[in-house]
Amino acid sequence: GDSVTQMEGPVTLSEEAFLTINCTYTATGYPSLFWYVQYPGEGLQLLLKATKADDKGSNKGFEATYRKETTSFHLEKGSVQVSDSAVYFCALSDLSGAGSYQLTFGKGTKLSVIP
Amino acid sequence: GAGVSQTPSNKVTEKGKYVELRCDPISGHTALYWYRQSLGQGPEFLIYFQGTGAADDSGLPNDRFFAVRPEGSVSTLKIQRTERGDSAVYLCASSLEGATNTGELFFGEGSRLTVL
Repeated sequence: GDSVTQMEGPVTLSEEAFLTINCTYTATGYPSLFWYVQYPGEGLQLLLKATKADDKGSNKGFEATYRKETTSFHLEKGSVQVSDSAVYFCALSDLSGAGSYQLTFGKGTKLSVIP
Repeated sequence: GAGVSQTPSNKVTEKGKYVELRCDPISGHTALYWYRQSLGQGPEFLIYFQGTGAADDSGLPNDRFFAVRPEGSVSTLKIQRTERGDSAVYLCASSLEGATNTGELFFGEGSRLTVL
């Protein structure tokens, strides 16, 4: 079945540091790929997405490129801020055997940014 | 409010008891999903509604779990004879498009269930 593997946390960075959170996936079809973020005390929200190979998703200074050859979708940001402290989830959407699209999530990576 | 609303936010119950968790999706969203998130894990799919019907319930772990959405809006997840292993955060999400490949789901803050 489909699966998503992302780097384990927690990750602690100083403000303005460069961020990379690795994500690789296994899927039988041609999935869309996503990064969701969960800020403290809030629900999951979509950060960015890419629906086909070589697409780049971007939002709020974060970027991720859909790499079919390496089955990866690594999240990057050039300069993190304290407000980026959150849990980040990599996910894929694929057609299930029951005929509906489901999101499959990784375990999440907790990021803490210190001033 | 404009977002997905879930109640209760916290529920503590005893092993063997019956529990209901409620989800009020964003107005106009036809698709509704339930996910379960155990400690240290990502959310896992339970069930998907398109309108009033359960279009995909392949993620429900066993027959103690059941969900309804009688009028195509509010949904209730029902758990019978709760077990300690049912302890988790139950997430509800809704979307406008339904069974599409956009993946943009709008999540509630979840209902944390603790079974003693």
